[in-house]
Amino acid sequence: DGGITQSPKYLFRKEGQNVTLSCEQNLNHDAMYWYRQDPGQGLRLIYYSQIVNDFQKGDIAEGYSVSREKKESFPLTVTSAQKNPTAFYLCASSTGQGNQPQHFGDGTRLSIL
Amino acid sequence: EDQVTQSPEALRLQEGESSSLNCSYTVSGLRGLFWYRQDPGKGPEFLFTLYSAGEEKEKERLKATLTKKESFLHITAPKPEDSATYLCAVGLLNAGKSTFGDGTTLTVKP
Repeated sequence: DGGITQSPKYLFRKEGQNVTLSCEQNLNHDAMYWYRQDPGQGLRLIYYSQIVNDFQKGDIAEGYSVSREKKESFPLTVTSAQKNPTAFYLCASSTGQGNQPQHFGDGTRLSIL
Repeated sequence: EDQVTQSPEALRLQEGESSSLNCSYTVSGLRGLFWYRQDPGKGPEFLFTLYSAGEEKEKERLKATLTKKESFLHITAPKPEDSATYLCAVGLLNAGKSTFGDGTTLTVKP
């Protein structure tokens, strides 16, 4: 079945450490997205990519970095510069056209030790 | 600035008590309006796309409608399994991203 796979489901970070969240899709979608969701809050866009080797900052990009070396993969690194990284992180993909919905993975929950 | 506002933030219903969720938007160049359902600890699941004013889509107890300024998600005779957070989002002309509302959390009591 086609879909989006995020791993790991739970992740713990020590102070001063960078961590990388994985996102893979087999939907042949051009566009991929990373969102952050805090308890009781909506989705806030971190980064998005409409094509391989290109990506744009979203609304809350500070303290995060991404790469898009393959169409299927869009990993997110939470750097030590992100002072409040505890959150639920969601990856999504779409055709990239404004008239098509996004398809989401089941998220990674990041906590600080 | 493009904006999507959902109301109410939370809605508690008794089983069988029908109601509606609202999504109002102020955007330029709407390409599509999307409704999603999100269960706790899961990613949003796509429900409907609406493209033009007057359009309606139905799925089981849910019906989504669209006007030029807002969309409604009507829930008819809800069941406890309909309890979830419902998100709406708009897809914009010449944009590779959607703008999401903050969601309405629906609780249906048996």
